[in-house]
Amino acid sequence: GQSLEQPSEVTAVEGAIVQINCTYQTSGFYGLSWYQQHDGGAPTFLSYNALDGLEETGRFSSFLSRSDSYGYLLLQELQMKDSASYFCAVRASGGYNKLIFGAGTRLAVHP
Amino acid sequence: DADVTQTPRNRITKTGKRIMLECSQTKGHDRMYWYRQDPGLGLRLIYYSFDVKDINKGEISDGYSVSRQAQAKFSLSLESAIPNQTALYFCATSDRTGREQYFGPGTRLTVT
Repeated sequence: GQSLEQPSEVTAVEGAIVQINCTYQTSGFYGLSWYQQHDGGAPTFLSYNALDGLEETGRFSSFLSRSDSYGYLLLQELQMKDSASYFCAVRASGGYNKLIFGAGTRLAVHP
Repeated sequence: DADVTQTPRNRITKTGKRIMLECSQTKGHDRMYWYRQDPGLGLRLIYYSFDVKDINKGEISDGYSVSRQAQAKFSLSLESAIPNQTALYFCATSDRTGREQYFGPGTRLTVT
Protein backbone atom coordinates (compact mmCIF):
# COMPACT_ATOMS: atom_id res chain seq x y z
CA GLY A 1 0.00 0.00 0.00
CA GLN A 2 0.91 3.64 -0.12
CA SER A 3 0.88 5.86 2.92
CA LEU A 4 2.24 9.12 4.25
CA GLU A 5 2.57 10.08 7.89
CA GLN A 6 2.83 13.58 9.30
CA PRO A 7 1.94 15.05 12.69
CA SER A 8 -1.65 16.19 13.01
CA GLU A 9 -0.90 19.43 14.88
CA VAL A 10 2.03 21.69 15.65
CA THR A 11 2.05 24.84 17.75
CA ALA A 12 4.69 27.59 17.73
CA VAL A 13 5.17 31.25 18.54
CA GLU A 14 5.83 34.14 16.19
CA GLY A 15 9.44 34.43 15.14
CA ALA A 16 10.23 30.81 15.95
CA ILE A 17 11.28 27.97 13.64
CA VAL A 18 9.13 24.89 13.14
CA GLN A 19 9.79 21.64 11.32
CA ILE A 20 7.00 19.46 9.94
CA ASN A 21 8.08 15.92 9.20
CA CYS A 22 6.71 13.52 6.63
CA THR A 23 7.52 9.85 6.20
CA TYR A 24 6.19 7.93 3.24
CA GLN A 25 5.78 4.43 1.97
CA THR A 26 5.00 4.17 -1.72
CA SER A 27 5.51 1.82 -4.61
CA GLY A 28 7.90 3.90 -6.65
CA PHE A 29 8.81 7.51 -6.06
CA TYR A 30 9.36 10.59 -8.20
CA GLY A 31 9.32 13.37 -5.65
CA LEU A 32 7.89 14.96 -2.51
CA SER A 33 5.76 18.10 -2.59
CA TRP A 34 4.46 20.42 0.09
CA TYR A 35 1.20 22.37 -0.06
CA GLN A 36 -0.24 25.03 2.24
CA GLN A 37 -3.96 25.44 2.87
CA HIS A 38 -5.52 28.21 4.90
CA ASP A 39 -8.94 27.62 6.45
CA GLY A 40 -11.58 27.93 3.75
CA GLY A 41 -8.99 28.16 1.02
CA ALA A 42 -7.48 26.01 -1.67
CA PRO A 43 -4.18 24.17 -1.35
CA THR A 44 -1.28 26.13 -2.80
CA PHE A 45 2.06 24.74 -3.86
CA LEU A 46 5.09 25.46 -1.68
CA SER A 47 7.93 23.22 -2.80
CA TYR A 48 9.01 20.08 -4.58
CA ASN A 49 12.01 17.82 -3.94
CA ALA A 50 13.01 15.14 -6.39
CA LEU A 51 16.58 14.70 -5.17
CA ASP A 52 18.12 14.39 -1.73
CA GLY A 53 18.93 17.61 0.00
CA LEU A 54 17.56 20.95 1.02
CA GLU A 55 15.60 23.35 -1.17
CA GLU A 56 15.20 26.88 0.12
CA THR A 57 12.54 29.36 -0.90
CA GLY A 58 12.53 32.44 1.27
CA ARG A 59 11.46 31.60 4.81
CA PHE A 60 10.47 28.08 3.79
CA SER A 61 12.83 25.17 3.15
CA SER A 62 12.11 21.57 2.25
CA PHE A 63 14.33 18.56 2.72
CA LEU A 64 14.28 15.06 1.26
CA SER A 65 16.10 11.85 2.07
CA ARG A 66 15.09 9.20 -0.43
CA SER A 67 17.00 6.46 1.37
CA ASP A 68 15.05 7.15 4.56
CA SER A 69 11.71 7.80 2.79
CA TYR A 70 11.58 11.01 4.79
CA GLY A 71 11.23 14.68 4.24
CA TYR A 72 10.43 17.82 6.16
CA LEU A 73 9.23 21.35 5.71
CA LEU A 74 11.07 24.01 7.71
CA LEU A 75 9.38 27.31 8.37
CA GLN A 76 11.54 30.10 9.76
CA GLU A 77 10.69 33.49 11.27
CA LEU A 78 7.13 32.34 11.78
CA GLN A 79 4.36 34.86 11.20
CA MET A 80 0.72 34.73 12.22
CA LYS A 81 -0.23 34.33 8.56
CA ASP A 82 1.65 31.01 8.52
CA SER A 83 -1.16 29.48 10.59
CA ALA A 84 -2.57 26.94 8.15
CA SER A 85 -2.58 23.26 7.30
CA TYR A 86 0.45 21.83 5.54
CA PHE A 87 0.27 18.72 3.40
CA CYS A 88 3.07 16.57 2.12
CA ALA A 89 2.34 14.72 -1.11
CA VAL A 90 4.25 12.04 -2.95
CA ARG A 91 4.42 11.87 -6.70
CA ALA A 92 4.55 8.12 -7.17
CA SER A 93 5.83 6.35 -10.23
CA GLY A 94 3.42 4.57 -12.53
CA GLY A 95 0.83 7.09 -11.50
CA TYR A 96 0.47 9.55 -14.38
CA ASN A 97 1.76 12.34 -12.13
CA LYS A 98 -0.78 11.49 -9.48
CA LEU A 99 -0.17 12.94 -6.06
CA ILE A 100 -0.83 10.97 -2.90
CA PHE A 101 -1.48 13.37 -0.03
CA GLY A 102 -0.81 13.02 3.66
CA ALA A 103 -3.59 13.88 6.12
CA GLY A 104 -2.08 17.28 6.84
CA THR A 105 -0.46 19.09 9.76
CA ARG A 106 -2.33 21.97 11.31
CA LEU A 107 0.10 24.70 12.35
CA ALA A 108 -1.03 27.26 14.91
CA VAL A 109 1.22 30.30 15.35
CA HIS A 110 0.68 32.29 18.55
CA PRO A 111 1.88 35.80 19.47
CA ASP B 1 -9.49 36.36 -13.06
CA ALA B 2 -8.74 33.10 -11.33
CA ASP B 3 -6.85 30.49 -13.33
CA VAL B 4 -9.00 27.59 -12.06
CA THR B 5 -12.67 28.17 -11.34
CA GLN B 6 -15.29 25.88 -9.88
CA THR B 7 -19.07 26.14 -9.88
CA PRO B 8 -21.05 26.05 -7.73
CA ARG B 9 -19.06 27.10 -4.66
CA ASN B 10 -21.65 25.69 -2.29
CA ARG B 11 -24.43 23.21 -2.85
CA ILE B 12 -26.95 21.51 -0.62
CA THR B 13 -28.84 18.61 -2.15
CA LYS B 14 -30.93 15.65 -1.11
CA THR B 15 -30.09 11.97 -1.14
CA GLY B 16 -30.68 10.41 -4.55
CA LYS B 17 -30.32 13.60 -6.57
CA ARG B 18 -27.91 13.90 -9.49
CA ILE B 19 -25.33 16.64 -9.05
CA MET B 20 -22.74 18.07 -11.42
CA LEU B 21 -19.73 20.08 -10.30
CA GLU B 22 -17.94 22.04 -12.97
CA CYS B 23 -14.32 23.10 -13.34
CA SER B 24 -12.74 25.43 -15.88
CA GLN B 25 -9.14 26.50 -16.29
CA THR B 26 -7.31 29.14 -18.28
CA LYS B 27 -3.79 27.85 -17.62
CA GLY B 28 -3.66 25.84 -20.84
CA HIS B 29 -2.81 22.67 -18.94
CA ASP B 30 -3.53 19.25 -20.36
CA ARG B 31 -3.96 17.51 -17.02
CA MET B 32 -6.91 17.95 -14.73
CA TYR B 33 -7.88 16.28 -11.47
CA TRP B 34 -10.79 15.99 -9.07
CA TYR B 35 -10.13 15.56 -5.36
CA ARG B 36 -12.29 15.14 -2.32
CA GLN B 37 -11.27 16.54 1.08
CA ASP B 38 -12.66 15.28 4.35
CA PRO B 39 -11.51 16.47 7.79
CA GLY B 40 -8.45 14.52 8.94
CA LEU B 41 -8.10 12.63 5.68
CA GLY B 42 -6.27 15.04 3.44
CA LEU B 43 -7.06 15.09 -0.26
CA ARG B 44 -8.09 11.94 -2.06
CA LEU B 45 -8.07 11.59 -5.83
CA ILE B 46 -11.39 10.76 -7.47
CA TYR B 47 -10.59 10.98 -11.21
CA TYR B 48 -7.88 12.45 -13.38
CA SER B 49 -7.57 13.24 -17.06
CA PHE B 50 -4.50 13.66 -19.21
CA ASP B 51 -6.38 15.04 -22.17
CA VAL B 52 -9.86 15.04 -23.62
CA LYS B 53 -9.63 11.38 -24.60
CA ASP B 54 -7.82 10.09 -21.52
CA ILE B 55 -9.76 9.70 -18.27
CA ASN B 56 -8.67 7.53 -15.36
CA LYS B 57 -10.06 6.45 -12.03
CA GLY B 58 -8.36 7.57 -8.85
CA GLU B 59 -8.47 6.15 -5.34
CA ILE B 60 -12.18 6.69 -4.66
CA SER B 61 -14.09 6.76 -7.96
CA ASP B 62 -17.11 4.67 -6.89
CA GLY B 63 -20.29 6.74 -7.02
CA TYR B 64 -18.71 9.40 -9.24
CA SER B 65 -18.32 9.97 -12.96
CA VAL B 66 -16.53 12.64 -14.98
CA SER B 67 -16.62 14.30 -18.35
CA ARG B 68 -13.79 16.18 -20.08
CA GLN B 69 -15.72 18.38 -22.46
CA ALA B 70 -12.69 20.31 -23.66
CA GLN B 71 -9.10 20.86 -22.65
CA ALA B 72 -10.27 23.60 -20.32
CA LYS B 73 -13.32 21.91 -18.79
CA PHE B 74 -13.62 18.89 -16.50
CA SER B 75 -16.91 18.06 -14.77
CA LEU B 76 -17.60 15.73 -11.86
CA SER B 77 -21.01 14.09 -11.45
CA LEU B 78 -22.61 12.31 -8.56
CA GLU B 79 -25.24 10.13 -10.22
CA SER B 80 -27.22 9.51 -7.05
CA ALA B 81 -25.89 11.53 -4.14
CA ILE B 82 -25.61 9.96 -0.69
CA PRO B 83 -24.84 11.63 2.66
CA ASN B 84 -21.30 10.25 2.93
CA GLN B 85 -20.45 12.22 -0.22
CA THR B 86 -20.74 15.36 1.85
CA ALA B 87 -17.29 16.89 1.50
CA LEU B 88 -15.19 19.67 0.01
CA TYR B 89 -14.37 19.00 -3.64
CA PHE B 90 -11.37 20.47 -5.41
CA CYS B 91 -10.45 20.58 -9.06
CA ALA B 92 -6.78 20.93 -9.96
CA THR B 93 -4.63 21.23 -13.06
CA SER B 94 -1.00 20.63 -13.91
CA ASP B 95 1.33 20.73 -16.86
CA ARG B 96 2.90 17.55 -18.16
CA THR B 97 5.65 17.50 -15.55
CA GLY B 98 3.05 17.29 -12.80
CA ARG B 99 5.52 19.00 -10.50
CA GLU B 100 3.00 21.57 -9.33
CA GLN B 101 -0.76 21.35 -9.20
CA TYR B 102 -2.99 24.43 -9.24
CA PHE B 103 -6.21 24.12 -7.30
CA GLY B 104 -9.57 25.75 -7.76
CA PRO B 105 -11.37 27.40 -4.83
CA GLY B 106 -13.39 24.29 -4.01
CA THR B 107 -17.05 23.31 -3.89
CA ARG B 108 -18.61 22.56 -0.54
CA LEU B 109 -21.25 19.88 -1.10
CA THR B 110 -23.75 18.82 1.53
CA VAL B 111 -26.03 15.83 0.93
CA THR B 112 -28.96 15.60 3.32
